[in-house]
Amino acid sequence: SQELEQSPQSLIVQEGKNLTINCTSSKTLYGLYWYKQKYGEGLIFLMMLQKGGEEKSHEKITAKLDEKKQQSSLHITASQPSHAGIYLCGADMGSGGSNYKLTFGKGTLLTVNP
Amino acid sequence: AAGVIQSPRHLIKEKRETATLKCYPIPRHDTVYWYQQGPGQDPQFLISFYEKMQSDKGSIPDRFSAQQFSDYHSELNMSSLELGDSALYFCASSFLKGRGNTEAFFGQGTRLTVV
Repeated sequence: SQELEQSPQSLIVQEGKNLTINCTSSKTLYGLYWYKQKYGEGLIFLMMLQKGGEEKSHEKITAKLDEKKQQSSLHITASQPSHAGIYLCGADMGSGGSNYKLTFGKGTLLTVNP
Repeated sequence: AAGVIQSPRHLIKEKRETATLKCYPIPRHDTVYWYQQGPGQDPQFLISFYEKMQSDKGSIPDRFSAQQFSDYHSELNMSSLELGDSALYFCASSFLKGRGNTEAFFGQGTRLTVV
């Protein structure tokens, strides 16, 4: 079974609308990372969250990690066509040591219609 | 700013051939990670190196090997290629020394097609 569940799998919104993508785990997350990927291209780092209750923002994108560190949400305000792509959450599912490997969710495909 | 450089960007090989993928991390980064992303799949961790030593291993087939060199670049060697090896291979790098979890930056990937 997938250790990191992302929802929704795909999302189509009208330009200017707000949207939220969720990433859920049954285990405690020691580091939660959000990446954006254009089809067939590299992963672009968006944000890293480590502490329960942490919230970070960059331009119109805000990511939060819940207090229990098992769920994260990515919120985009006033979406634009440039926000379109695949959003992947990745997490350190291990002990949180200095060497880590990321487990990724299946991704959320975001389409923004002009 | 310098990013993670991967080469080649595209590679076409026949079954049973060998392929070598190269990764040049961001300057001063001490850790390199390799991921494999099949069509429509999420990236799967293969292997990582910290200070030129293997630090963790994921679902990497025995036919694959990797190493990190003195200049911190890394190479992923893939032998006896199979059709199922066709995927996007990503390298990521981070600076871990003296720190806990830290962000990893990904390269553009190498698209390997096995025919």
